[in-house]
Order: sequence, then structure tokens, then C-alpha cells
Amino acid sequence: AQSVTQLDSQVPVFEEAPVELRCNYSSSVSVYLFWYVQYPNQGLQLLLKYLSGSTLVKGINGFEAEFNKSQTSFHLRKPSVHISDTAEYFCAVRTLSSNTGKLIFGQGTTLQVKP
Amino acid sequence: DTEVTQTPKHLVMGMTNKKSLKCEQHMGHRAMYWYKQKAKKPPELMFVYSYEKLSINESVPSRFSPECPNSSLLNLHLHALQPEDSALYLCASSQVALGGNEQFFGPGTRLTVL
Repeated sequence: AQSVTQLDSQVPVFEEAPVELRCNYSSSVSVYLFWYVQYPNQGLQLLLKYLSGSTLVKGINGFEAEFNKSQTSFHLRKPSVHISDTAEYFCAVRTLSSNTGKLIFGQGTTLQVKP
Repeated sequence: DTEVTQTPKHLVMGMTNKKSLKCEQHMGHRAMYWYKQKAKKPPELMFVYSYEKLSINESVPSRFSPECPNSSLLNLHLHALQPEDSALYLCASSQVALGGNEQFFGPGTRLTVL
């Protein structure tokens, strides 16, 4: 079975500072990895995904993530955050062999950007 | 058009009511999903439809009844709900229900059961 752990439930940060949101996963088989963002009162939006190839993945809104197979991690980073980045961030995995589309989500990290 | 639409945005219903949630996409996707999300929690998968056939039911109570009339539409029929069913209900779609395909989410329907 797969599981996802987001190590921080809340991350407060000042505007224009860098941020890292941590995600570790557990799986006995290879997985695809995703980061989604959820702004207040909205649905989820895909920030980026890792399927294969380069371990550094660039996404929308200046976010990037690095896949580390040995540490089973997929941390999300942004060099300089804006107030508008305040939102809930979810890390998710899906097995390569999945034919059901089922995503396994972490518990989420609330990013609070302060002026 | 990369949009998944959901109606209504908000719904308040009593425990004896029957109501339906609607989800629509025009991206030609053949997999559609219903999720339930409680406050400050991740989405929980309820149902998956693949090529208009129900492929996953995550042991959801029978008071929730999904329906996929065609490849663009997904409904969730609600009957005799409980207050603990109050939540944000999210619909999503993907090209197919395989591996690395991205799921596109709608804005959700916020359901309150009185």
C-alpha cells in the first residue's frame, strides 16, 4: 500500500522569502508524484507532476519540486513567495500500474504568506 | 477548454430531501471522479467512472448514488443524508484512469445537511 506524509501542517513565511514544503511517500512499487494547490473555496489545481526523467520538475507559478528516490521524497520549493501563494498544498501519489486513477493524498500543508 | 464545471455551488438540504449534484467536462476525458472533502482534510475518493462504467466504489453508503449518463456528464444523487455528510464535493476528470494522467478538478459543491 502507498502512503504520503506531509511533514508540516502549517508553514508561515514572509513575503518574498523562499519556502519548502516537504513530502515523503512510502510505496513498494514505482509511483507518479503530484503537487496540487487549493485556494480558499476552490477546487484543486495541479502545480506539477513527476512521471519520469529529470528529477527536477518545474511547475506553474514559479514552483518546482525535486524527486529523490533514495529518500522517497518530493519536496516543493519556491524561491520567493507572494501573498497570493497563501493556500493549502497537497502532495499525492499514484502507482505506475494503476488503472483506477486513484490518488493517495497527504494531509496537506497550509502555506501562510505574511506581508 | 480545460474546465470542469459543477452545479450547484452551494446546497442546503434536510435529511429527508432528495437532491442531485452535477458535473460536466468537455475535454473528451473518459474518466470521471467524485471526491468528498471535509474542512482542513485532503479529498477522499468516492467513485470512479471509466468509459461511463463504474470502476471504483470506495465503500460509499448507498445514500450516495452516482450516475454517468454520457462521457461528459457525472451526477451524484443524494437521498436521506446525515449531518456528517456535510462537506465539499469535488468532481474531477482525466483522459483515462491510468497512471500519470492529470486529474482536472471542478470548484466543488458545498453541501450542508441540516
